[in-house]
Amino acid sequence: KAGVTQTPRYLIKTRGQQVTLSCSPISGHRSVSWYQQTPGQGLQFLFEYFSETQRNKGNFPGRFSGRQFSNSRSEMNVSTLELGDSALYLCASSLRDPRSGNTIYFGEGSWLTVV
Amino acid sequence: GESVGLHLPTLSVQEGDNSIINCAYSNSASDYFIWYKQESGKGPQFIIDIRSNMDKRQGQRVTVLLNKTVKHLSLQIAATQPGDSAVYFCAENKQGNQGGKLIFGQGTELSVKP
Repeated sequence: KAGVTQTPRYLIKTRGQQVTLSCSPISGHRSVSWYQQTPGQGLQFLFEYFSETQRNKGNFPGRFSGRQFSNSRSEMNVSTLELGDSALYLCASSLRDPRSGNTIYFGEGSWLTVV
Repeated sequence: GESVGLHLPTLSVQEGDNSIINCAYSNSASDYFIWYKQESGKGPQFIIDIRSNMDKRQGQRVTVLLNKTVKHLSLQIAATQPGDSAVYFCAENKQGNQGGKLIFGQGTELSVKP
C-alpha cells in the first residue's frame, strides 16, 4: 500500500512568485492536513481538510491556502513568496477523522527554497 | 506559532542501552498523543500512540508512558540501535470545534554511539 505522496520533492522559487504543492493521501484516507517545518519554528500546523472541507486552520497569513478534491488529493498554495517561507512542507493523512485518534501518517515532504 | 522551535535537546546513548525521551505537553484537554521519528531528509514516521485513558502502551522495543497529572509524556526505547538515531517528536491532538490538529513538541535528537 503506497504511503502519502508529495510532489514536487524539491523546488526553488523567487520572492514574489507563487507555488503549488500536491499531496496524494494513503488510499482510503479522507483527512489530509498540512504542516510547515523550519529550524526556527519546528513543525507548525497549516490546515486540515476532510471531505473537501477545511476543518481547521493554523496561524498563518492568507497567502497560505489549500484545497481538497473529491478523490481526497490535496493541494496547498503559497502566493507572494517571502524568504521566510523557505521550509519543508509536510502533508499528512489519516483514515477518517483525527478527532477520533486515527493514526496520522506523513509524507516525505516538499522542500521549498525561496531566493 | 504554537510550537517552540528553539535549541534542540540532544540525547546520546551507547548502542544496546535503553533510551528515554521526555516531552511536556501543553493542553490538559488533549486526549491523544503520538511519538514520531524523523530521520534526516525524511518526513516524520509514526512510532506509537496513546490515548489519555491509558497510562502506558507498549510496542516493539518502544514504550510510551503518559502522566496526565504533570502533563508529561515519555518514550522508552529498549536496546537502542544505531538505526534509532533520529529526531523524535511528541505530538498532541488538540481538539478544535471543526476538527483536530497536531501540536508538536520541539523534538529531541537521539544519537546512538556504536
